[in-house]
Amino acid sequence: DTAVSQTPKYLVTQMGNDKSIKCEQNLGHDTMYWYKQDSKKFLKIMFSYNNKELIINETVPNRFSPKSPDKAHLNLHINSLELGDSAVYFCASSPNTGDYGYTFGSGTRLTVV
Amino acid sequence: GENVEQHPSTLSVQEGDSAVIKCTYSDSASNYFPWYKQELGKGPQLIIDIRSNVGEKKDQRIAVTLNKTAKHFSLHITETQPEDSAVYFCAASVSSNTGKLIFGQGTTLQVKP
Repeated sequence: DTAVSQTPKYLVTQMGNDKSIKCEQNLGHDTMYWYKQDSKKFLKIMFSYNNKELIINETVPNRFSPKSPDKAHLNLHINSLELGDSAVYFCASSPNTGDYGYTFGSGTRLTVV
Repeated sequence: GENVEQHPSTLSVQEGDSAVIKCTYSDSASNYFPWYKQELGKGPQLIIDIRSNVGEKKDQRIAVTLNKTAKHFSLHITETQPEDSAVYFCAASVSSNTGKLIFGQGTTLQVKP
């Protein structure tokens, strides 16, 4: 069983479209994150949720909207996709906000054309 | 602001040699310092971590050292093997206890057989 699973693994879409990425963890962790990895491999946090509550909301365009229906799931919806949104998006989870032992998913490579 | 600098950006060693990657951090309240290994097409995987109350930690061929006064920490890999080839990231926790990690820019390690 995959501990943190993301779908889809690849996403190719046109500018202006709306898309969603889903993440699920079966580790029983309370905290989940979205990180963006750019073309230079730099990892930057976007959002975090702790037990369905939004904890971190970095300087991210409001076209990005996370949703956590329960503590095992964290989804990312992106409206009006732009070329600059092309990146690899990683979901991660940790036991809680005080325990930083992240487990990452395998990533979703988003390509906007 | 919060920042983690990582050097070198690329490192090439012969199999059996040692590899050292260094990071410095800016937030004096950081107290958790993990290292991640990212293989091609996969998510980062935690390989070792250290907390601020410890100066050194070792796990088989991997060791991490921390100098809190100088605000830097290092990853040491001994007896390198081709399967150690990957991108390595250091990270530091942020003082807000939100679970947020700031990542370094990454080091691409190549181990030549």
